[in-house]
Amino acid sequence: EVQLVQSGAEVKKPGATVKISCNVSGYTFTDFYMQWVRQAPGRGLEWVGRVDPGDGEARYADEFQGRVTITADISSDTAYLEVRSLRSEDTAVYYCATDVSYGSGKEWDVWGKGTTVTVSS
Amino acid sequence: QSALTQPASVSGSPGQSITISCTGTSSDIGGYDYVSWYQQHPGKVPKLMIYEVRDRPSGISNRFSGSKSGNTAFLTISGLQAEDEADYYCSSYTRKYTVIFGGGTKLTVL
Repeated sequence: EVQLVQSGAEVKKPGATVKISCNVSGYTFTDFYMQWVRQAPGRGLEWVGRVDPGDGEARYADEFQGRVTITADISSDTAYLEVRSLRSEDTAVYYCATDVSYGSGKEWDVWGKGTTVTVSS
Repeated sequence: QSALTQPASVSGSPGQSITISCTGTSSDIGGYDYVSWYQQHPGKVPKLMIYEVRDRPSGISNRFSGSKSGNTAFLTISGLQAEDEADYYCSSYTRKYTVIFGGGTKLTVL
């Protein structure tokens, strides 16, 4: 069974850095891109970026460029999302997601349960 | 990049059909056949309902169908059921090698 297991909830102060993880099982980690999507309370889905675990190449949405880093550790089959200079607007549930069925990497059939990040002074 | 445009809400009675639109540009929806639709119930994880404009994942009811015309994609749900009440999001691949979502549509089954 394909599973994405995310790290636990985080509470951070404004200006801090958070790094959350997504550990995969049930498929070959390097075969498929890993995406990160976030959802602020009461708001819609927002694509943050993705990483190709095969070569580490990452791409980011314009609004996160320079403040976010997505990495993949193939030794532990784990993807990471780091967000720096946190502000209250970064309070959200962060999901990792991947496509193990269709191969394009542009539609995601497997999702983690989400990691809640709260930014508050 | 601005989000794709979806209506904030739609509604329909059980058994009826509804269509949700998702409007983008030639740089996303109009340029690629990589439009997906996700269903999200409150407090739950998004679920893929349609991929590559019109294809259904295994296990998704054929009451759900997708289409595209120009820069606008559509999700149609026929034979509405109470369990269809949820938020629906479209997404599209873009020419910047990124993905963009719509703002979401709340479907109410009356």
